[in-house]
Amino acid sequence: SQTIHQWPATLVQPVGSPLSLECTVEGTSNPNLYWYRQAAGRGLQLLFYSVGIGQISSEVPQNLSASRPQDRQFILSSKKLLLSDSGFYLCAWTPGGTGGSYEQYFGPGTRLTVT
Amino acid sequence: DAKTTQPPSMDCAEGRAANLPCNHSTISGNEYVYWYRQIHSQGPQYIIHGLKNNETNEMASLIITEDRKSSTLILPHATLRDTAVYYCIVTGSGTYKYIFGTGTRLKVLA
Repeated sequence: SQTIHQWPATLVQPVGSPLSLECTVEGTSNPNLYWYRQAAGRGLQLLFYSVGIGQISSEVPQNLSASRPQDRQFILSSKKLLLSDSGFYLCAWTPGGTGGSYEQYFGPGTRLTVT
Repeated sequence: DAKTTQPPSMDCAEGRAANLPCNHSTISGNEYVYWYRQIHSQGPQYIIHGLKNNETNEMASLIITEDRKSSTLILPHATLRDTAVYYCIVTGSGTYKYIFGTGTRLKVLA
């Protein structure tokens, strides 16, 4: 069966510090991968998605970036965190191939607090 | 922007059916309606999806109107554990994007 992992589970970082969040999927090949952010009390905001190694689509221009160095690994990064980057970061995957026809599976999330 | 509109909150008595509406008046012919729910501090969980026909699984039923411009998620016998935010999203086979709105916060009352 497929599983999705995210780490760390919680993170407290000062403003201006770098960020690296990691997501890995097991039990499937060539998944589509997604990063979402959820501010406190708000809905999910799609940040990035990837349909293959090295292929990243950005949905919201900001100081975050994403990379996919391996088939089942998705990394969210920032060089300098802002207070507004605080939130709940969720990674998700769907089976590869044509999008939109499959349900998404979400990881447990990383709660980031920027101080 | 999300292609769906949902009421921000609803209450339901425990043991009664919870009917959660969703408006998707601009849905295209190849787009599916998906429902997810998010319990506090967890990742969203897939519930059900449909294209044209009504669907039922062990968690819920999905009723899609004939013109496909709206749908209703039905939890037949709501329990306290069904208290969550419920998201309705629309996405098609030609896109990889899943755009979530703000959802409906369902509170099941004892």
